[in-house]
Formats: sequence, structure tokens, C-alpha cells
Amino acid sequence: GQNIDQPTEMTATEGAIVQINCTYQTSGFNGLFWYQQHAGEAPTFLSYNVLDGLEEKGRFSSFLSRSKGYSYLLLKELQMKDSASYLCAVKGRGATNKLIFGTGTLLAVQP
Amino acid sequence: DADVTQTPRNRITKTGKRIMLECSQTKGHDRMYWYRQDPGLGLQLIYYSFDVKDINKGEISDGYSVSRQAQAKFSLSLESAIPNQTALYFCATAGGRTDTQYFGPGTRLTVL
Repeated sequence: GQNIDQPTEMTATEGAIVQINCTYQTSGFNGLFWYQQHAGEAPTFLSYNVLDGLEEKGRFSSFLSRSKGYSYLLLKELQMKDSASYLCAVKGRGATNKLIFGTGTLLAVQP
Repeated sequence: DADVTQTPRNRITKTGKRIMLECSQTKGHDRMYWYRQDPGLGLQLIYYSFDVKDINKGEISDGYSVSRQAQAKFSLSLESAIPNQTALYFCATAGGRTDTQYFGPGTRLTVL
């Protein structure tokens, strides 16, 4: 079967660092995406990993280990506006480009 | 201007009514998708299309139909709406080297 697991909720403090984990079991692997979604709004693309290692983009970084079926999203220098859901999504192998989404991690940033 | 637009943004309708949700994009992408999102369930794929006239079922296609008459437009229909179709509906397009999906602003549909 196909499964993506993320923590349901996390809380962190403004200015701190938070790591959101994602583990996956899918039939084939052709990339992992992280999206940010504020309540009632569209998911917005944050990062893409297809090879093992760390991808850094400003305050956000994403890590992938394909052998462990594991990824994390690292958010540095947290700001109040980072309070949102963070969705992990995996693309399976093949031409369909279908994404399997996790249910998301709701991050609350406190002052 | 937004690259992916959806109309309407909000809709309240009654059980049994036919509803059409529209999606348009200016990104020039060939691939388009319709998802629904329910609290605690994540995004579920309804239908997807790789080109004009190409239609493929997703995980939860029952009760829905789609039309792709032009590259830039992908519409979703509920032939006879029922209350458990109350949800947030998103259209997405994909393209480029990584086939990243980009989402429209969503349509909040309520079926009474």
C-alpha cells in the first residue's frame, strides 16, 4: 500500500527552529514535495527533493533519505506568518505524475 | 494576475443540483488536476488530464465528471450534488523539469 505519515500538530516559538518529519511507503519513488497551506487557502510549493541530501532555500530546507523513506522540512528563524499546515507529498514512479499527499502538519508559532 | 484561477470561489447549493467548477491557467502546462480537501483527510485526487480530451480517474471519481476542451481549461462537474460532497476543491497544473504542481485558490462548495 501507499502511506505517508506526518505529525498532526506541532508548536514552536517565534525565532526558533522547527523540524517537521515525513515518512513514506510508496510503490516507486520519483520525488518528494513540501507545500505550505494557510487555513482556507491553496497549497503553495516550498521544495522538491529527488536525490538524497539537503536542499536549502532561504529560511526553509528540506532533507531526503530514499533508503529510509524519510524526509524533513526545517524552518529557521520562525515567524508568526509561518503558522500553517505543511504537506508532504510523494510522486510515484511512472508517467502519471500523481502525488500522494500526507494529511499535513499544523504548525503553530507562538510569540 | 494569478497563474491558476478558479470560479466560483464559494458556492452554496442544494442536494440534487448540477454544479460546474471552472479552472483556467496561464502557465502553459499540459497537465491539470482536480482535488478535494476535507478536514483531517488531506488532498484526494478526483480526476486528472495530460492533454486536451485526455481524462483519467483519480482515487475518488464517483459522482464527478470533468471536461478538458482546451489546454488552459479544466472543468469539474457534480451531476447531482449530495451533502457529502461539501468540501474545498482545488485545481492544479503541472509542468517543467520537476513536474511541480501549482494550485489554484480553491472553491469552497457547500451542499445543503
